[in-house]
Amino acid sequence: AQTVTQSQPEMSVQEAETVTLSCTYDTSESDYYLFWYKQPPSRQMILVIRQEAYKQQNATENRFSVNFQKAAKSFSLKISDSQLGDAAMYFCASFSSGSARQLTFGSGTQLTVLP
Amino acid sequence: EAGVAQSPRYKIIEKRQSVAFWCNPISGHATLYWYQQILGQGPKLLIQFQNNGVVDDSQLPKDRFSAERLKGVDSTLKIQPAKLEDSAVYLCASSSGWGPYEQYFGPGTRLTVT
Repeated sequence: AQTVTQSQPEMSVQEAETVTLSCTYDTSESDYYLFWYKQPPSRQMILVIRQEAYKQQNATENRFSVNFQKAAKSFSLKISDSQLGDAAMYFCASFSSGSARQLTFGSGTQLTVLP
Repeated sequence: EAGVAQSPRYKIIEKRQSVAFWCNPISGHATLYWYQQILGQGPKLLIQFQNNGVVDDSQLPKDRFSAERLKGVDSTLKIQPAKLEDSAVYLCASSSGWGPYEQYFGPGTRLTVT
């Protein structure tokens, strides 16, 4: 079974500053993938960034990057130069390619961006 | 490219009534998912289809929930009879295949059971 834990229910950041959202996961599979999804208020959930577990290099998408620590089973999201539009609920999720083959989400972190 | 469509957006029913939700995935997407998102929690997978076949419904409460995917395109999720604890947002998502692919989500249906 997969589990994903987000220990920060709420975070805030000043506009233009950097913030890091934490996530830990647990899986018995060797082949898995990790995701961060963003759910803005009253809008669709969208993919922010994806990391393949077999890749050592941390994924980066513009202002969004991850710190993937495989041994520690940690997968944090860093948002640089925060913008007002980054305010949303952020969900960490994992997908294992073994028997489960489903996306398992954490409980989310509500990010507030302060002007 | 049109996104995932869902209807209705909101629904209020009394307990023991029935309700149905509809989803139209992105054109060409073979895999369709239904999630339940209770307030303050992350989405929980209920069922996933590959074309018109069910690949995983292990978390679907089959005594009251049912789902089908007609001709491998649209899908409906039904609850009968509804309970108070079914109050949640029901999200539909689709992806190009059954695997670690990006999932595209619809706007969801917010269900309130009174």
